[in-house]
Amino acid sequence: DAKTTQPNSMESNEEEPVHLPCNHSTISGTDYIHWYRQLPSQGPEYVIHGLTSNVNNRMASLAIAEDRKSSTLILHRATLRDAAVYYCILRLSRWAYNFNKFYFGSGTKLNVKP
Amino acid sequence: NAGVTQTPKFQVLKTGQSMTLQCAQDMNHEYMSWYRQDPGMGLRLIHYSVGAGITDQGEVPNGYNVSRSTTEDFPLRLLSAAPSQTSVYFCASSQDRERSTSGNTIYFGEGSWLTVV
Repeated sequence: DAKTTQPNSMESNEEEPVHLPCNHSTISGTDYIHWYRQLPSQGPEYVIHGLTSNVNNRMASLAIAEDRKSSTLILHRATLRDAAVYYCILRLSRWAYNFNKFYFGSGTKLNVKP
Repeated sequence: NAGVTQTPKFQVLKTGQSMTLQCAQDMNHEYMSWYRQDPGMGLRLIHYSVGAGITDQGEVPNGYNVSRSTTEDFPLRLLSAAPSQTSVYFCASSQDRERSTSGNTIYFGEGSWLTVV
């Protein structure tokens, strides 16, 4: 099953950029890379997703390696409200045998210091 | 737009009791799934469904049953509760990826905190 690997935890200072890495060496050509985050005592929420090209939205940027075996979620200016667990998952193609199973793993716990 | 609604939010069960966690979505999503999250851990997939009448097992299905009689509802049944099932349960839904116009986003409920004593 397609899985991702993330560091257990990272720390950042408020107002500074944060780069959260994710390895997905078994990714196939049609798998989307998704990022979600989970604030304390809440369900996960969507952050950003991409396929091949780098993506930007109001929350973050997603940088995807040329071989697609890794990606990086970029928070341009971390705030205290960005302290959360960040999950990198693969959204598999419907043609994959397990396309409708979304594995979240343990994610990266981001601590933001004031 | 209510999104994904889970009930109850909190529940305490005695060992051996049965109960049903309810999940409903109003976005006409084909995919629905249940996850459990133990303290300090990530989410683990219990069961999922790709449409009404179709369900399948995830990573940790033992001790749980599901059914999908309508597109909107996906209840999770604990047949005989055990302390090991103490956890936070999340229901999620999403569109079929190839038909999605919303970026293939997965929407989660707010969670159901279950304690089995």
